[in-house]
Amino acid sequence: TQLLEQSPQFLSIQEGENLTVYCNSSSVFSSLQWYRQEPGEGPVLLVTVVTGGEVKKLKRLTFQFGDARKDSSLHITAAQPGDTGLYLCAGGGRGSTLGRLYFGRGTQLTVWP
Amino acid sequence: NAGVTQTPKFQVLKTGQSMTLQCAQDMNHEYMSWYRQDPGMGLRLIHYSVGAGITDQGEVPNGYNVSRSTTEDFPLRLLSAAPSQTSVYFCASSYSSGNSGNTIYFGEGSWLTVV
Repeated sequence: TQLLEQSPQFLSIQEGENLTVYCNSSSVFSSLQWYRQEPGEGPVLLVTVVTGGEVKKLKRLTFQFGDARKDSSLHITAAQPGDTGLYLCAGGGRGSTLGRLYFGRGTQLTVWP
Repeated sequence: NAGVTQTPKFQVLKTGQSMTLQCAQDMNHEYMSWYRQDPGMGLRLIHYSVGAGITDQGEVPNGYNVSRSTTEDFPLRLLSAAPSQTSVYFCASSYSSGNSGNTIYFGEGSWLTVV
């Protein structure tokens, strides 16, 4: 059972286009994280959101946590080839499950010059 | 900063062989975990530890053992390798960052092939 569903699974766009990746769940998480992973490397944390409705911006990337803390979105403005990679969302546990993450299957983004 | 260090980077095993994937972190993190990543499956938790001497199972623990004798080290043991364990393995460590949730740092991965 996949706790977090990401969509789309694959995304191929031209440089300069905007895109949104979605991460949805029926479960409530204490935090929601977004990672970017490049081939041959481990995931690297982009952002953590912890408050329902929270919006965080990281240059051209905008992250939003749903009001009910069950879903999140990642929006990239004016995508660049350097944005190419696997984007993973992950929900964080709390209490006895602190330190555990539940990952979505990822969105493979390719940005063509 | 070394961060999370995994060894070996690549390993080929024959079915039935045993081996240990090593993981060490130098950030004094309480929490450590092992994930495996398979195509189209994302990362799945194998085992995790909330501190020295404490371990627990994740989503896919069968065929793997762990121990946490020190804060720094969290080795993953494959007792009798099977082709289904061919995967990329990631070790991760984290600390409780209060209202910021968990901040988790990953190693660079270990590519394991079981033939």
